[in-house]
Parts: sequence; structure tokens; C-alpha cells
Amino acid sequence: SQTIHQWPATLVQPVGSPLSLECTVEGTSNPNLYWYRQAAGRGLQLLFYSVGIGQISSEVPQNLSASRPQDRQFILSSKKLLLSDSGFYLCAWSFKAGRSADQETQYFGPGTRLLVL
Amino acid sequence: GDSVTQMEGPVTLSEEAFLTINCTYTATGYPSLFWYVQYPGEGLQLLLKATKADDKGSNKGFEATYRKETTSFHLEKGSVQVSDSAVYFCALSDRSSNTGKLIFGQGTTLQVKP
Repeated sequence: SQTIHQWPATLVQPVGSPLSLECTVEGTSNPNLYWYRQAAGRGLQLLFYSVGIGQISSEVPQNLSASRPQDRQFILSSKKLLLSDSGFYLCAWSFKAGRSADQETQYFGPGTRLLVL
Repeated sequence: GDSVTQMEGPVTLSEEAFLTINCTYTATGYPSLFWYVQYPGEGLQLLLKATKADDKGSNKGFEATYRKETTSFHLEKGSVQVSDSAVYFCALSDRSSNTGKLIFGQGTTLQVKP
């Protein structure tokens, strides 16, 4: 079976410091990968998605970047954090896009709570 | 573009009450539809899903039927428990690109009181 891991679980960082959040998937190969942000009490915002190694698409311009150095590893980074980067960051994976709910389901990790002070 | 609209929350119910959370969608094609649940401090969990019109997804006493004629996928449960308190997200698959993206509604918070 497949599992998805995120770390760290919680992070408190000062404004202007760098950021690296990691997400790894086990039990599948060549998945689609996604980074979401959820501000307090708000919905989900898709930040980045990747359909393969080195292939990153950004959904919104921002202070963050993403990389996929290995097939099942997805990293979210920032060179200098802003207060507005605080939130709950969720990683998700899916099989390659298909035409059924089974193929199109996204599976989420436990999330990383980031507080920028 | 495609979109999902959920009823605004919070929805507050007493234990054993009947639950309905409305979800309607706009899509150019025939997407798959999903309900996810998020318990406090956790990631999202898939609750149920449906691939085509008239499909019924069900799990843990929750049900939702894919209604093409009304473009809806309302979530129902006959008798809620305190443990059902969570945020519920309706979503559809974005088939305009081959990326597997999902489009989410804004979420509906459910509070169940004993």
C-alpha cells in the first residue's frame, strides 16, 4: 500500500529565514505530486504540482518554490520567509491522470504547520 | 472555468441529527466528484467519490449521489456523531489538463454537540 510522509510536523521560523519542507511517497512510482497551503480557517490553495522529476508547475506567483529531485520526493522551499507564509502546508499525490474517480483521487499527507514570526 | 460551491458553515447539529451539506459544481465535461474530510490538525482524508452520473459514493454512513441534471453532489448522513465534527470539502477533477488537479470548494465546518 502507499503512504505519504511530510516533515517536519511543526515549524516556527523568523521572518527572513529560509524554508525547506519535504514530502515523500512510498509504495508507488511516477506519481503526480501537489503542494497546497491552507491559511487558518480558510480553504485549500494549490501552490505547485509536478507530473515528473524536474517538472514543476506553479499555480500562483509567490515567495515559494518547489523541486522534485527524485521520483517520489517533493520539496517546498523559500529563501526568505514572510509573515504571510504562515499556514498549514499539505502535500498530496495521485496516480497519473485517468478518467475514473479511482485514478483521479488525491491522497494527502499529515501536513506541516508553519508559523512565521 | 470549472468551480465548486459549498454551503457556508459552520453547520451545528445535535448528536443523531440528519446531516446535509450541499455541493454544486460547474464543469465543461463530466468530472469525477469527491468528498474529503479534515479533522482538526490533520490532513485531508478521502471520504467518498463518484465517477459518473447516478453513481453513489458511500463510506462510514455518509452518502452522496452524482446528479448531472442538477450538477450537485450533496453529502448526507442519517445520524451524526460528535466524532463527525470536522471540515468537509467537496471537489471535482479538472479534466481540462492532464495533470490530475482537483478543484476544491471552500470547505464546510460541521460541529456536532452531544
